[in-house]
Amino acid sequence: DGGITQSPKYLFRKEGQNVTLSCEQNLNHDAMYWYRQDPGQGLRLIYYSQIVNDFQKGDIAEGYSVSREKKESFPLTVTSAQKNPTAFYLCASSIETSNTGELFFGEGSRLTVL
Amino acid sequence: GIQVEQSPPDLILQEGANSTLRCNFSDSVNNLQWFHQNPWGQLINLFYIPSGTKQNGRLSATTVATERYSLLYISSSQTTDSGVYFCAGLNFGNEKLTFGTGTRLTIIP
Repeated sequence: DGGITQSPKYLFRKEGQNVTLSCEQNLNHDAMYWYRQDPGQGLRLIYYSQIVNDFQKGDIAEGYSVSREKKESFPLTVTSAQKNPTAFYLCASSIETSNTGELFFGEGSRLTVL
Repeated sequence: GIQVEQSPPDLILQEGANSTLRCNFSDSVNNLQWFHQNPWGQLINLFYIPSGTKQNGRLSATTVATERYSLLYISSSQTTDSGVYFCAGLNFGNEKLTFGTGTRLTIIP
């Protein structure tokens, strides 16, 4: 079945460590996105990529990094520079690079910093 | 970008009741979506509806683009409808969907 796969679903990390969250899609979508959700809040955009080897900062990119070496994959690294990394992270993709297309989400990765 | 406001923030209903959730946006949109976030956190697509009316079973949605709002109707609510409902919009010339803060719906048996 086509879809978006995020891993791991749950991740615990010590302060000062970098962690990488995986996002893979087999929908043949060009655009991919990373969002962060805090308890009781809406979603905020971290980074997005509309084409391979290119990506743009979203509203809260500080302390995060991404890469887009393959169309199917858009991993997110939460670096030690991110002050409050504990959150729920959602990856999404869309067939439209103009952002007018429908967005589809993975199941999310819950990161807890101990 | 645009501002997206959702109302009400919380809604508690008895099973079988009908409900209307509202999404207001500050500017014209060319992309408007409704999502349901289930208890496990996954966002499920409900409607892609920049304008007009759509129906899917007990759910329907209407977007009046000229008046900058969208409504989500849920009829004959079931406990499985519980969760948080988000709308997200994008206006012309912008590249990023903006999400509202959601409506938390609780259906009591």
